[in-house]
Amino acid sequence: EPEVTQTPSHQVTQMGQEVILRCVPISNHLYFYWYRQILGQKVEFLVSFYNNEISEKSEIFDDQFSVERPDGSNFTLKIRSTKLEDSAMYFCASRRQGETQYFGPGTRLLVL
Amino acid sequence: EDKVVQSPLSLVVHEGDTVTLNCSYEVTNFRSLLWYKQEKKAPTFLFMLTSSGIEKKSGRLSSILDKKELFSILNITATQTGDSAVYLCAVAGGGGADGLTFGKGTHLIIQP
Repeated sequence: EPEVTQTPSHQVTQMGQEVILRCVPISNHLYFYWYRQILGQKVEFLVSFYNNEISEKSEIFDDQFSVERPDGSNFTLKIRSTKLEDSAMYFCASRRQGETQYFGPGTRLLVL
Repeated sequence: EDKVVQSPLSLVVHEGDTVTLNCSYEVTNFRSLLWYKQEKKAPTFLFMLTSSGIEKKSGRLSSILDKKELFSILNITATQTGDSAVYLCAVAGGGGADGLTFGKGTHLIIQP
């Protein structure tokens, strides 16, 4: 069964560094998402992406964040200058038209 | 602001018991309500509900939506230790928004 995949599974970085989290959505899906889950808290929506552009973003998704679909398979989330509070599990999700979102296994980001 | 409230936040039962998990919501332009199971990492999809009063069933799990009272329940009968997980309720809607709004989850523990 096709799955959303994410790399790396864990990332440790220093405050102020840039990080890029990578996702490979399910191949025939057209809608892509990033969510984050701070330890012990609920899953929060960051951004949705369709037809090569952002379709919606939350208040969390400020100028430090950007997304890109650099080729036909990858979907990336970049955090330009990480802060301690960016430490969280980041989930990528994808879906087809009219269907539910399927989540990847997540990247656990730790900012020191 | 869209809101999803789950109860209880945690629940401990014995194997074989039946449990009912609750989810109430306030969201503009409701489109669907989803249930996910989160064990260690990624939320895995259980049900998507769009219409009131129609029960969705998958094995020992079932769910129903009440759009008038703005809530949903997830039932698990004859619970097994493998049902231990965090169960997440999420709503899609909100003024054309595509991102899901999640509740805090119900942490279910099934004791042998």
